[in-house]
Amino acid sequence: NAGVTQTPKFQVLKTGQSMTLQCAQDMNHNSMYWYRQDPGMGLRLIYYSASEGTTDKGEVPNGYNVSRLNKREFSLRLESAAPSQTSVYFCASRGTSGGARWSTDTQYFGPGTRLTVL
Amino acid sequence: GQQLNQSPQSMFIQEGEDVSMNCTSSSIFNTWLWYKQDPGEGPVLLIALYKAGELTSNGRLTAQFGITRKDSFLNISASIPSDVGIYFCAGRNQGAQKLVFGQGTRLTINP
Repeated sequence: NAGVTQTPKFQVLKTGQSMTLQCAQDMNHNSMYWYRQDPGMGLRLIYYSASEGTTDKGEVPNGYNVSRLNKREFSLRLESAAPSQTSVYFCASRGTSGGARWSTDTQYFGPGTRLTVL
Repeated sequence: GQQLNQSPQSMFIQEGEDVSMNCTSSSIFNTWLWYKQDPGEGPVLLIALYKAGELTSNGRLTAQFGITRKDSFLNISASIPSDVGIYFCAGRNQGAQKLVFGQGTRLTINP
């Protein structure tokens, strides 16, 4: 059970290049998320997917696109990278468990992709 | 939109000391989560709280879901060097897809 995995771990791009960040989860979760983390800014939501086939914008969606390929995979694409997109990107998935009397609802993060745009 | 105010922003303590940090919100949440992020890693879930007034422990960590549902605190007892990192609180409303995160508390421990 690997949890949430992300590739690549590190990437350097030149301004204007494109790339796709990959994320996969093996916990059978419906919801998946992409965040970016900048120094002193905490975690900011870029896009999320509540279920397979649906995606919605988060707090900072400009310059990004996403694809929920299937229940396991949620990718983030930068079509034309800019220096302002230099950041650490985290994917997360959310699952619920339990029954009528109790339930747990928690969100798990991947290890991150460190992206530098020159 | 909703915001979480997490304090303090940073802490510098001696090994063995107890640590206390908290999160407050202008609106209520139905779930509070506490995460820890080690340098170069993703946030890892420490404790999840689902009921107002709930007090939950995980080893040396104790967290409480405030009775008003607008706040939560995290305590760490007898700190050790591996407690170093950034601690985030997060809240979620019932039925909501998104978490609201605090800005984080950076914990530094002097041996």
